[in-house]
Amino acid sequence: DAKTTQPTSMDCAEGRAANLPCNHSTISGNEYVYWYRQIHSQGPQYIIHGLKNNETNEMASLIITEDRKSSTLILPHATLRDTAVYYCIVRVSSSGGSNYKLTFGKGTLLTVNP
Amino acid sequence: GAVVSQHPSWVICKSGTSVKIECRSLDFQATTMFWYRQFPKQSLMLMATSNEGSKATYEQGVEKDKFLINHASLTLSTLTVTSAHPEDSSFYICSAKVPNRANSLGAFFGQGTRLTVV
Repeated sequence: DAKTTQPTSMDCAEGRAANLPCNHSTISGNEYVYWYRQIHSQGPQYIIHGLKNNETNEMASLIITEDRKSSTLILPHATLRDTAVYYCIVRVSSSGGSNYKLTFGKGTLLTVNP
Repeated sequence: GAVVSQHPSWVICKSGTSVKIECRSLDFQATTMFWYRQFPKQSLMLMATSNEGSKATYEQGVEKDKFLINHASLTLSTLTVTSAHPEDSSFYICSAKVPNRANSLGAFFGQGTRLTVV
């Protein structure tokens, strides 16, 4: 799986948009970009994923650059409960089998301030 | 969405004893589950892949005789830390993927188990 690079930490004001960048310059054509987050002392939570088109769901938006070498996770209106470590992971899609292990980097600690 | 439940949420045990952690998929059948370990201020590290009805696959450097994994049913995988020592104190997390489902939902994680060995 391709390696990702994320800033160690970021701060955001409550109610403002949080934009979390991720570099994945070695991503290959069949690799997806996944985002998870981990609130302190809890298991990771899936947020969103995409291949090359921008994606949006009830939690966030994912913007992937045209060359797919980087992406940005956007939390449109950050709340205090969004304080967590956010992980960007790239991996090959697999709808079945035992190859669905995820390799976590260090992620970005997002702190939402009141 | 799919729910993965771990039990217990936390456990304290004496050095030299064994501890069992359960991971259950509550509303789906999981042929494959994954066990991770996370030390303070570090990221999740995959320990092993648990396959229903067969032996687990361990990552390099993980002692299979110390971390026993059993996946006897499609909804339950267990991790037993044998002869626990203080250095085994960590946050243990399991995950499972809903089978035959496109990647749109990703993997689902349990809430984690905090193990403290004293």
